Amino acid sequence: DSGVTQTPKHLITATGQRVTLRCSPRSGDLSVYWYQQSLDQGLQFLIQYYNGEERAKGNILERFSAQQFPDLHSELNLSSLELGDSALYFCASSVDDRFHEQYFGPGTRLTVT
Amino acid sequence: DQQVKQNSPSLSVQEGRISILNCDYTNSMFDYFLWYKKYPAEGPTFLISISSIKDKNEDGRFTVFLNKSAKHLSLHIVPSQPGDSAVYFCAASGITSGTYKYIFGTGTRLKVLA
Repeated sequence: DSGVTQTPKHLITATGQRVTLRCSPRSGDLSVYWYQQSLDQGLQFLIQYYNGEERAKGNILERFSAQQFPDLHSELNLSSLELGDSALYFCASSVDDRFHEQYFGPGTRLTVT
Repeated sequence: DQQVKQNSPSLSVQEGRISILNCDYTNSMFDYFLWYKKYPAEGPTFLISISSIKDKNEDGRFTVFLNKSAKHLSLHIVPSQPGDSAVYFCAASGITSGTYKYIFGTGTRLKVLA
């Protein structure tokens, strides 16, 4: 158990809809990272928040947004969903804002039908 | 543009032998490299890392080697155990123009045969 929790575990929704994925980092970690893993693909870094502020951006679509709240939990919002957005979405956390050792949650599997 | 490449999608090794997983990168601004292990239905787990100022880092059965001139890193697992069977991802990070880049490879599936 990494100490990072993600909800929900599974999500099935229709094209055009909007969903919110939630992540709680390990106790004491200030950074939260979001990743997307599509079928047969590696992990694609989406975005990083550090202590409530956006710190780095990767290949995140404009239809996707995220935020980190004062209690350090984070939400990833995916809107106008397309079939191609079906993937595993991982959240990770780390103590500082460097891209060093990260602790990953179990992921949320999103299926868009 | 895949800046971090793991060219072997899979690898099979006998229990007790050495497993060598390879990773190549193209961007010389990467200055920190990591290996993660992933079991099915779980998130990746951090294994070992190396800074670009070093060429080797060891942690128990796991050793990572970095060859900056060749832009190549490798993970050695000695001796390999059946429990090491998993997908292994390498990752690279660095700053360019004040922006962090953090790139994962596509993974190598290791199977350790008993």
